[in-house]
Parts: sequence; C-alpha cells; structure tokens
Amino acid sequence: QQQVKQSPQSLIVQKGGIPIINCAYENTAFDYFPWYQQFPGKGPALLIAIRPDVSEKKEGRFTISFNKSAKQFSLHIMDSQPGDSATYFCAAKETSGSRLTFGEGTQLTVNP
Amino acid sequence: DAGITQSPRHKVTETGTPVTLRCHQTENHRYMYWYRQDPGHGLRLIHYSYGVKDTDKGEVSDGYSVSRSKTEDFLLTLESATSSQTSVYFCAISESGRRAVGGEQYFGPGTRLTVT
Repeated sequence: QQQVKQSPQSLIVQKGGIPIINCAYENTAFDYFPWYQQFPGKGPALLIAIRPDVSEKKEGRFTISFNKSAKQFSLHIMDSQPGDSATYFCAAKETSGSRLTFGEGTQLTVNP
Repeated sequence: DAGITQSPRHKVTETGTPVTLRCHQTENHRYMYWYRQDPGHGLRLIHYSYGVKDTDKGEVSDGYSVSRSKTEDFLLTLESATSSQTSVYFCAISESGRRAVGGEQYFGPGTRLTVT
C-alpha cells in the first residue's frame, strides 16, 4: 500500500522555469513532511521540511506548499537551474513514530 | 553525508550466497535505518534500530536480518541472496526518531548490490 503518492515521475523544464512536484497522502496521522534531493550516485539529502501548522515554507529558491484539508503538499523550485537536475522525493512521518514513508520520486531535468 | 559511511560501495554476488552490508556513523545518533531504492518504488524501509540491540522490521524485511552491537555500526545481512534483492541500499541515521526536530534522517552514500 502506497501511502504517499508522488507525481509526475519525470519533469523537464527550461532554465528559469518553476517546476512543481506534487504529493498526496492518506494517513491523517502524518505530521512531518520532508523533501529530499538526490543526485546520481549519491544518497538522498534533506532539502526542506514542513509541519501542517503552516501552509507554506520557503528556503532559498525552494518552497513547500501544504494543503491539510486536501492532504496534499508540493515542492516549487523558483528560477530553476541546470544544477537542480536531480531526483526529488517527498516523504511523510508521524511524529509519534520513527519511520519515513517515501513517494516514488520525480526525476527533474532543467535544460540550459 | 553527515558522518555516515557504507561498505562495500559496490558488490556483485551469486544467488544463494550470504551478504553483509555495513553502515558506520560518527554522529552518535540513536536511530539507524536500512532502505532499498528501486525504480518506481522510491525508498522502502527494510529494518531500523532504535538503540544497541534494539531493532524492528520495516515494510520489506523478508530475506533480511540486521544487527547492532555498537551505537556506530548497523549491519544488514541477506541470508541467501536472490536476484530480487539486486538494488541500491542506503543507510540513514537520526538523532531522535520520534520528533520532527531531531528526527530528521540523514543518508549515507549507498551500496549498489547486484545478485547474479
């Protein structure tokens, strides 16, 4: 059972575009939502995370939007650069638990 | 990679042989995790540990066992490797599994395992 659904599987944008990656979850007990960035041959690296008590969080060019009623959250990358080309994973966790549940991943390509 | 090393980084083995992967951390974090990464599946939790000698199963634990005799080391053993266990394996650590702050997970560089 996939508790976190991520889309799209792949995404191609031009430099300066704003790619958007979406995730939806089912478990209403989830209350911590991180995003990870992974470059080829490397482990995933924590990028940004949000709690459901806020609807938006920004860190540099990366923004998470959160819609608690719809049980959806998304990652926006402003002014995307070729160096942002990577695979992005959303995840979710219950604060009372110790496990992360990951989405399937989105392979982002930013063309020069 | 947050003071996490994995060994070996690459391994090719034959079906039916036992394989042990090692994760070593220098952060003194309490929680350690083993994941496998496969196309279309994201990262799936195999086993995790919440302290020395304390471990629990994840969602894809069949065919795998783990041991943690020291805070810094977490071993993953494939008891009899099968081709379906060909994957990239990642170790992760977190200071505290049960809090968002301090519960963030940090990943190692991964081990690519091929079972022929």
